[in-house]
Amino acid sequence: KNQVEQSPQSLIILEGKNCTLQCNYTVSPFSNLRWYKQDTGRGPVSLTIMTFSENTKSNGRYTATLDADTKQSSLHITASQLSDSASYICVVGTYNNNDMRFGAGTRLTVKP
Amino acid sequence: GAGVSQSPSNKVTEKGKDVELRCDPISGHTALYWYRQSLGQGLEFLIYFQGNSAPDKSGLPSDRFSAERTGGSVSTLTIQRTQQEDSAVYLCASSRSGTAYEQYFGPGTRLTVT
Repeated sequence: KNQVEQSPQSLIILEGKNCTLQCNYTVSPFSNLRWYKQDTGRGPVSLTIMTFSENTKSNGRYTATLDADTKQSSLHITASQLSDSASYICVVGTYNNNDMRFGAGTRLTVKP
Repeated sequence: GAGVSQSPSNKVTEKGKDVELRCDPISGHTALYWYRQSLGQGLEFLIYFQGNSAPDKSGLPSDRFSAERTGGSVSTLTIQRTQQEDSAVYLCASSRSGTAYEQYFGPGTRLTVT
């Protein structure tokens, strides 16, 4: 069973609307959580990185939240644009130096 | 500065052939990672290099897969006797040091085994 679960698997929204993507994890001991955006045919690009002590971090129209107690994170996208169409991947790192667990991603499509 | 580069961008090979995939990390980055992404699947960790330490090969799916990193910079992922299930996008990432640092991904190599 994957230790990082993302939902929904896919999402279609209209341009200008907001949306929220979810990430639940069971990875332990927790070190950090990252959200990546991956455009089709490209490598992932980092959006946010949060450690245990951080519960929110913004990057433009992207806002990530983290609840380390419930082991949940969300990525909120405000005023979506067509260019937001991509896969969004949640990655949880542990204190083991190279142990990172990847979610399967949420495929977002923004339509005009 | 230049990001992580990978070559080739696409590779089509026949089943049973060997392939080599190349990754040029960002200059000065001591950590280098290889991942595999199958269609519609999440990223799968393959191997991790950190400085002069022995690489972590725990993610390699079989002994047909191997990787080396020469001079602490360029890395080559080799797949011997390719199988159709090896078809995937192979992504390389580098970071300043261990996983506490930001990983920068290359564009990937799309491997198709026919």
